Amino acid sequence: GNSVTQMEGPVTLSEEAFLTINCTYTATGYPSLFWYVQYPGEGLQLLLKATKADDKGSNKGFEATYRKETTSFHLEKGSVQVSDSAVYFCALQIPNNNDMRFGAGTRLTVKP
Amino acid sequence: NAGVTQTPKFQVLKTGQSMTLQCAQDMNHNSMYWYRQDPGMGLRLIYYSASEGTTDKGEVPNGYNVSRLNKREFSLRLESAAPSQTSVYFCASSVVYEQYFGPGTRLTVT
Repeated sequence: GNSVTQMEGPVTLSEEAFLTINCTYTATGYPSLFWYVQYPGEGLQLLLKATKADDKGSNKGFEATYRKETTSFHLEKGSVQVSDSAVYFCALQIPNNNDMRFGAGTRLTVKP
Repeated sequence: NAGVTQTPKFQVLKTGQSMTLQCAQDMNHNSMYWYRQDPGMGLRLIYYSASEGTTDKGEVPNGYNVSRLNKREFSLRLESAAPSQTSVYFCASSVVYEQYFGPGTRLTVT
């Protein structure tokens, strides 16, 4: 079946550190891949997406590249800020299918 | 635009009680979803509605029913609540790839 595995947290970094959150997927067909972010007490918000192999999604300094050969979509940011503290979810969706599968989430805490 | 709204924000039920979680969106989206979020498990799809008048089961539909009342509203009903249904429930709506989420309902069943 379709599923997403992401690195377990929590992840604690100092401000301006480099961030990587690993995400790998298993899917039939050619999924679209997403990163969502959840701030405390809120719903999820789309952070970035990629719809085909080798696409790079980017937003707010975050990037992720769709790697079909390694079935991965790792999230990176060069210099994190305290305001980036949140829970990050990797997700996939098969086109024309309403069933989106989420990873378990990775909690990031950035300390000043 | 309010986006996706959910009521209530918090609810405590006793085992066996029933309740309906309400969700509405004002973005004219065709597709709407109900998820539950549990620690260490991410979000799991309970039911979805691809368009007004249609509903389909997701990954974890047991113990729930849904109604797509019109294009704007999609409700989730627990007929006989169980402690295993203690969770945070999110409603979402979508256009093409992006899903827009409500703020969630935190439900505790004792």
